[in-house]
Amino acid sequence: DAGITQSPRHKVTETGTPVTLRCHQTENHRYMYWYRQDPGHGLRLIHYSYGVKDTDKGEVSDGYSVSRSKTEDFLLTLESATSSQTSVYFCAISDIPPNTEAFFGQGTRLTVV
Amino acid sequence: LAKTTQPISMDSYEGQEVNITCSHNNIATNDYITWYQQFPSQGPRFIIQGYKTKVTNEVASLFIPADRKSSTLSLPRVSLSDTAVYYCLVGDTFVGSSNTGKLIFGQGTTLQVKP
Repeated sequence: DAGITQSPRHKVTETGTPVTLRCHQTENHRYMYWYRQDPGHGLRLIHYSYGVKDTDKGEVSDGYSVSRSKTEDFLLTLESATSSQTSVYFCAISDIPPNTEAFFGQGTRLTVV
Repeated sequence: LAKTTQPISMDSYEGQEVNITCSHNNIATNDYITWYQQFPSQGPRFIIQGYKTKVTNEVASLFIPADRKSSTLSLPRVSLSDTAVYYCLVGDTFVGSSNTGKLIFGQGTTLQVKP
């Protein structure tokens, strides 16, 4: 299995609080991604990174920010969590997308109450 | 940019062959076609990739016609454990000659295998 780890795996937080999810890789892949998955919506791209300090928006970026200060870590921050951000979040890595395989983390289940 | 269209859901029975077709009318010359499989409560995983004609591995076969405007993922003799969401990905990362790396998965096809 590819070396990709998400933390935490589960989190319950209150509306209005900041939350940071971490994705850590040991594969030295250039590209890293954050997706959210909700029933009926498949996988939706939030933000992605194409290198250290290089990030761009995805399909559903409102309410989320990201940072990548080193190759192996990609952080997703919800500045002020809302109930609509209750979801399962997946991190992924890829070397040369889309023609090389993308590897996914185990997912983080976030509940905002 | 290439976009894909695939059925939202399919049902099958154990032991049957399942074919899931993906349309990608605007596929670019350099684009490969990649399929991922996602089991409940897990992240997607790569299952097969092809450029043209036919590719086969231990999990599935991928059929690509000469015009490459569609592709068909074939799962032989499915079992209950093949119940999953299947995503078709084509290109979609290039803006001009620059690879943005932006990977869009879409809704995929939910395959339900029944006993």
